[in-house]
Amino acid sequence: DTGVSQDPRHKITKRGQNVTFRCDPISEHNRLYWYRQTLGQGPEFLTYFQNEAQLEKSRLLSDRFSAERPKGSFSTLEIQRTEQGDSAMYLCASSIRDRGPNYGYTFGSGTRLTVV
Amino acid sequence: AQKVTQAQTEISVVEKEDVTLDCVYETRDTTYYLFWYKQPPSGELVFLIRRNSFDEQNEISGRYSWNFQKSTSSFNFTITASQVVDSAVYFCALKAGGATNKLIFGTGTLLAVQP
Repeated sequence: DTGVSQDPRHKITKRGQNVTFRCDPISEHNRLYWYRQTLGQGPEFLTYFQNEAQLEKSRLLSDRFSAERPKGSFSTLEIQRTEQGDSAMYLCASSIRDRGPNYGYTFGSGTRLTVV
Repeated sequence: AQKVTQAQTEISVVEKEDVTLDCVYETRDTTYYLFWYKQPPSGELVFLIRRNSFDEQNEISGRYSWNFQKSTSSFNFTITASQVVDSAVYFCALKAGGATNKLIFGTGTLLAVQP
C-alpha cells in the first residue's frame, strides 16, 4: 500500500492553456474523489467516482473541468482554458466502502497549480 | 444546509500545554459522519478520526481525545501535552447521510506549538 499518488506535484501554466492531472488511488479502493483547496481554506469537493462511474459532481466543476476514471483505476482531472482563479491545490482521495468507524478517506499530497 | 464552523483561525501554545480545537457543525440529517484531519506543512491531509452520528462515546487515542456532543452540534478535539510536531492546520469535516459521498470541510485551525 503506497498511498494515493498524484502527478505532477507542481504545475505552472499560462492563462488559457489546458492542464491535466493524474491520481493513482490505493489499489483496493473503489472510490475516488477530487477536491480543490485554496490558500487559507478547507478543501472543497469537486467530484466523486465509484469504480469508473462518476456519481457526483459539484457545481464548482464548471464546463472547463472534466474528470475521468477509465477502468476504475487511476483518474485524470483536466482543466481547459485555465484562468487565474483556477490556481489552487488539487487533492485526490480514495476510500473503500465502509470498513468500520475508524476508516477514513486517504488523501494524496496534491497538485499545486499556478496560472500566470 | 450542511456546514462546518471552526471559529479558531490560529492557536499558539507552548510545548506541553493542552489545547482544544473547536468544531461546530450543521446538518438536518439524522445520520452523518464527522472527521478530523491534520495538514502539516508538507500539505498531505492525514486522517485522524471518524465518528458516526449514532456513536456519542468520546474517543481517546494517545495524546488525542475527541468530545462529540450532539446537543450542541460540536465535535471538539483536544491534544494533551502538545509537542512541536503537532504544529499543523487541523480540519474538521462532515459527511451527510444518504447518497452523497462528499466531505464538507471547515476552514481549519492553524496550531503552532512553540518549543
